[in-house]
Amino acid sequence: DQQVKQNSPSLSVQEGRISILNCDYTNSMFDYFLWYKKYPAEGPTFLISISSIKDKNEDGRFTVFLNKSAKHLSLHIVPSQPGDSAVYFCAASLDKLNTPLVFGKGTRLSVIA
Amino acid sequence: EPEVTQTPSHQVTQMGQEVILRCVPISNHLYFYWYRQILGQKVEFLVSFYNNEISEKSEIFDDQFSVERPDGSNFTLKIRSTKLEDSAMYFCASSEMAAFLAQHFGDGTRLSIL
Repeated sequence: DQQVKQNSPSLSVQEGRISILNCDYTNSMFDYFLWYKKYPAEGPTFLISISSIKDKNEDGRFTVFLNKSAKHLSLHIVPSQPGDSAVYFCAASLDKLNTPLVFGKGTRLSVIA
Repeated sequence: EPEVTQTPSHQVTQMGQEVILRCVPISNHLYFYWYRQILGQKVEFLVSFYNNEISEKSEIFDDQFSVERPDGSNFTLKIRSTKLEDSAMYFCASSEMAAFLAQHFGDGTRLSIL
C-alpha cells in the first residue's frame, strides 16, 4: 500500500542546473506535504512543507509545487549544488497535528560538479 | 543547535534476543516518536508517545514492541524477541508540540539481526 510514491529512485543533475524531484500520492485526504533531506549516516532533516490550500511554497533555492487535481507534488532546487547530493523523501499527513507522516521511498539526488 | 541523539549507532543481535534502542530527545520536547526504515524501503512510522503514554501506533508496532521513558531524558524502544525482518534503521524523533510537522530526527540505529 504505497500512498506516497517517488517513482525515480535516483537523479543526476549538473551543478548549477535545476533539480526536479517528483512525488505522487493516492489519498486525496492528505492535507500537508513535506520534503525531507537525508545524508548517509544521518537522520532525515526537514526541508520544506506545503499545505493543501496552497500550490507553491518557496524557501531560498527550494520551491515545492502542489497539483492537487493530479495528486502530484514536486521539489525544485535551483541552482543545484554538490552539497544538495542526498536522499530526498516526500511525506504526507492527513492533518498538521496528530496523524503520522506517510513517507515515500526516497529519491537519491547526485549533483555533479 | 540541540540534537536528538541515538545509541548505539549499530546494534547486532541474535534472532530471538531482546534489544533496547536508546534515544535522548531534545530537552524541552514533549512528544516522541520511533520510525524504521528497512533497507531500500520507505521510512515507516512505528509509534508516538506523550505524557508517558502511547498516542498513536502503527500496525507494525505489535506486542513484540514497547516504548518507555524511564527517566527525564531517555526514550527507549524495546523489541522483545527479535526476528530477521526487524533488521532496519530505527529513527527516533522528538517535537516540542503535537505536530508531526515539527519533528527533529536522530541519526538512527542500524539494527542487524543474525
